[in-house]
Amino acid sequence: NAGVMQNPRHLVRRRGQEARLRCSPMKGHSHVYWYRQLPEEGLKFMVYLQKENIIDESGMPKERFSAEFPKEGPSILRIQQVVRGDSAAYFCASSPEVNQPQHFGDGTRLSIL
Amino acid sequence: ILNVEQSPQSLHVQEGDSTNFTCSFPSSNFYALHWYRWETAKSPEALFVMTLNGDEKKKGRISATLNTKEGYSYLYIKGSQPEDSATYLCAFREGSNYKLTFGKGTLLTVNP
Repeated sequence: NAGVMQNPRHLVRRRGQEARLRCSPMKGHSHVYWYRQLPEEGLKFMVYLQKENIIDESGMPKERFSAEFPKEGPSILRIQQVVRGDSAAYFCASSPEVNQPQHFGDGTRLSIL
Repeated sequence: ILNVEQSPQSLHVQEGDSTNFTCSFPSSNFYALHWYRWETAKSPEALFVMTLNGDEKKKGRISATLNTKEGYSYLYIKGSQPEDSATYLCAFREGSNYKLTFGKGTLLTVNP
């Protein structure tokens, strides 16, 4: 029973490029959450999605960041025109229902040159 | 902005010692309190989800209590082992929200 799968584990981008982070939830989980951990900071909520719907994106920066969870395929967190401040670890979690514990992936470490 | 505080920030204990640490959170509009265990180079692992005032949950040598009226939860580890070394995170869920607000964690190091 595979856990939450995130790829890539490490991603290096130059300023101005796009970063696409993928998350496949655990089997049977339709609720996906994205979190960001900046250096020396705790985990910060970004967005909560159910299949094809964004439920809560209150933690997402207003510009350059978007997320989707299509009917088929993984959830994607997309960062356009990356800047140095986007360097962080991005974690995805999933749950079978919104009230259940969230199961985390190993994260994607994004580095911006 | 919700404030979730954990103390202490870090803790060193000897193998066999029992230990505990604290998570404090807003006492109004409580929905749930989650505890996670996060080992270095791994992903956070869910320990408990606590929803009722006075709740006490146990998993092996680890247990947690919840006081929603005063806004705190304790995590206890009995007879610490080196493999318990990890960062322990708590996360608060407010009634009107779906998101979890995490504390910065308590880093526990258990020396053999």
